[in-house]
Amino acid sequence: GENVEQHPSTLSVQEGDSAVIKCTYSDSASNYFPWYKQELGKRPQLIIDIRSNVGEKKDQRIAVTLNKTAKHFSLHITETQPEDSAVYFCAAFPQGAQKLVFGQGTRLTINP
Amino acid sequence: GAVVSQHPSRVICKSGTSVKIECRSLDFQATTMFWYRQFPKQSLMLMATSNEGSKATYEQGVEKDKFLINHASLTLSTLTVTSAHPEDSSFYICSATDRNEQFFGPGTRLTVL
Repeated sequence: GENVEQHPSTLSVQEGDSAVIKCTYSDSASNYFPWYKQELGKRPQLIIDIRSNVGEKKDQRIAVTLNKTAKHFSLHITETQPEDSAVYFCAAFPQGAQKLVFGQGTRLTINP
Repeated sequence: GAVVSQHPSRVICKSGTSVKIECRSLDFQATTMFWYRQFPKQSLMLMATSNEGSKATYEQGVEKDKFLINHASLTLSTLTVTSAHPEDSSFYICSATDRNEQFFGPGTRLTVL
């Protein structure tokens, strides 16, 4: 089955700097890759996603890149702000599997 | 986006009792819902896939007789933690898929004393 690895587990950056979180997946049939932000005690919220027919997607300060050949995808947050502090999860959706497989999560801390 | 609700949001119970958690899709029908468990500072671990009108599919290592799942309608799935013990204390989150996007409920924090 699909296996998703996420790095780093913790990340601390200065406000205004960029943050990058990387994930690798094992199943080449996976075709959908969402990123979720989870604040303490709350539900995960979808912040951006990308499908396998696209290499990059951007939404204001957030972007995701996908390298299908290498089977990895990354989340990029620019001009970070304190409210970006949260745990971020990547996930992969194997085609036909009907369920997401999550990475281990990255605790992002933005230092003022 | 679509809305998934969960009830209760918090529950504290004594060891040995059973606890039922409800998950509802409010503005869409969900033939499939998912139940996750999340321990502190850990990722979401899929416990089971709830299928409307049929038996749930459990992930390896999850006891189906302990975590009973019922998906009686297209908008409601329930998870019952039977004979709960302190090690079952966790954050339980359900989710449902609407038009290829997965939406999560707000979660239920279960504390077993």
